[in-house]
Amino acid sequence: EAQVTQNPRYLITVTGKKLTVTCSQNMNHEYMSWYRQDPGLGLRQIYYSMNVEVTDKGDVPEGYKVSRKEKRNFPLILESPSPNQTSLYFCASSLFSIQEKANEQFFGPGTRLTVL
Amino acid sequence: AQTVTQSQPEMSVQEAETVTLSCTYDTSESDYYLFWYKQPPSRQMILVIRQEAYKQQNATENRFSVNFQKAAKSFSLKISDSQLGDAAMYFCAYRSRDSGYALNFGKGTSLLVTP
Repeated sequence: EAQVTQNPRYLITVTGKKLTVTCSQNMNHEYMSWYRQDPGLGLRQIYYSMNVEVTDKGDVPEGYKVSRKEKRNFPLILESPSPNQTSLYFCASSLFSIQEKANEQFFGPGTRLTVL
Repeated sequence: AQTVTQSQPEMSVQEAETVTLSCTYDTSESDYYLFWYKQPPSRQMILVIRQEAYKQQNATENRFSVNFQKAAKSFSLKISDSQLGDAAMYFCAYRSRDSGYALNFGKGTSLLVTP
């Protein structure tokens, strides 16, 4: 089954304790992205990657890191989480070609993160 | 980032009726893509419909259709014959080269469907 998986689905942690949220897709997609969703703000992009070893900042990158060492994986790293990073996080992926920029982005199920 | 505005935080519709959700966007580009996503209580993001800006014909997907007004930068979603399962948060989104092909989302419209 074609899908984007995220782990963990729920996480409660404390300020300053490094954590990683994994994201994996099995559709051979070039493009992958992380979003955070906060009430009243919609979804905002944190980081994106157009292919292996190619990553770039989105609208709200502060406090986050990413890496893209393999095409299928795009982990989100919080080196020193703070309470303002409490949010619902989504990973997404899509094909990426000049001719098909309207390709659907497939979303993972989301990770609910609480930082105390 | 491009601005996407959904001016209706909440909407309500009776079952079997039609409802229209509004979306406007701001861009200087001529080549871009517009989407409506549905987010039910499960939080899963589900693509409802998409529109390429270069296409004049409005997209339709079964009971869902859009009214794309390029000059007015408007992209509304019409849901016909509303069903209880349509109750969800709906997000309008924009994608283009200028945005790094990220999806820029509006803040969402919460749709309530009453029996």
